[in-house]
Amino acid sequence: DTEVTQTPKHLVMGMTNKKSLKCEQHMGHRAMYWYKQKAKKPPELMFVYSYEKLSINESVPSRFSPECPNSSLLNLHLHALQPEDSALYLCASSHRIGTGAFLNTEAFFGQGTRLTVV
Amino acid sequence: DAKTTQPPSMDCAEGRAANLPCNHSTISGNEYVYWYRQIHSQGPQYIIHGLKNNETNEMASLIITEDRKSSTLILPHATLRDTAVYYCIVRVPWGAQKLVFGQGTRLTINP
Repeated sequence: DTEVTQTPKHLVMGMTNKKSLKCEQHMGHRAMYWYKQKAKKPPELMFVYSYEKLSINESVPSRFSPECPNSSLLNLHLHALQPEDSALYLCASSHRIGTGAFLNTEAFFGQGTRLTVV
Repeated sequence: DAKTTQPPSMDCAEGRAANLPCNHSTISGNEYVYWYRQIHSQGPQYIIHGLKNNETNEMASLIITEDRKSSTLILPHATLRDTAVYYCIVRVPWGAQKLVFGQGTRLTINP
């Protein structure tokens, strides 16, 4: 199984709503990522989790709240979003080998959740 | 992570080899070159990576110059399904684990 599964595929939410995006992988990867992608732009890194701990936050507004409840799951909780937050949200995972120096293999990406904020 | 420069767009005829260049003149000795592609409305897909030797897999070949300041991704027999945005990324394979995308090259395969 080399899949990263994201749900839902599409989401429309109002600016006062609270919603969550879900990402799941069963490849034993211990690094998981959230990206945001606007139309015709490259993906922008938001968060990186390593061994279920947040290791990188790219100065993302607090209305985006990530959570990694276990090594297979990654959530992105959304609250009080703005219309400009409408985008494709991508999840990815990659493998971290060993406890000392480690080597990242390639990252696997999900198909994304297309979010529209109205 | 080092910056990369890629042409914004390229065209290639179906069945021909597609050669996508990437400049990474500030690459450091421990940084690898990675290539990903993103087909419309899908998540990015890993293609290949290398440090200094040329690499080949079932999808593509990666040619890295001896001074490592540039590389070329080669799709040997391009098909219409290879139409996508191709991203060249240089990064260390450990540490902060950032995978930062540049603007990429939009490759169009023409019938």
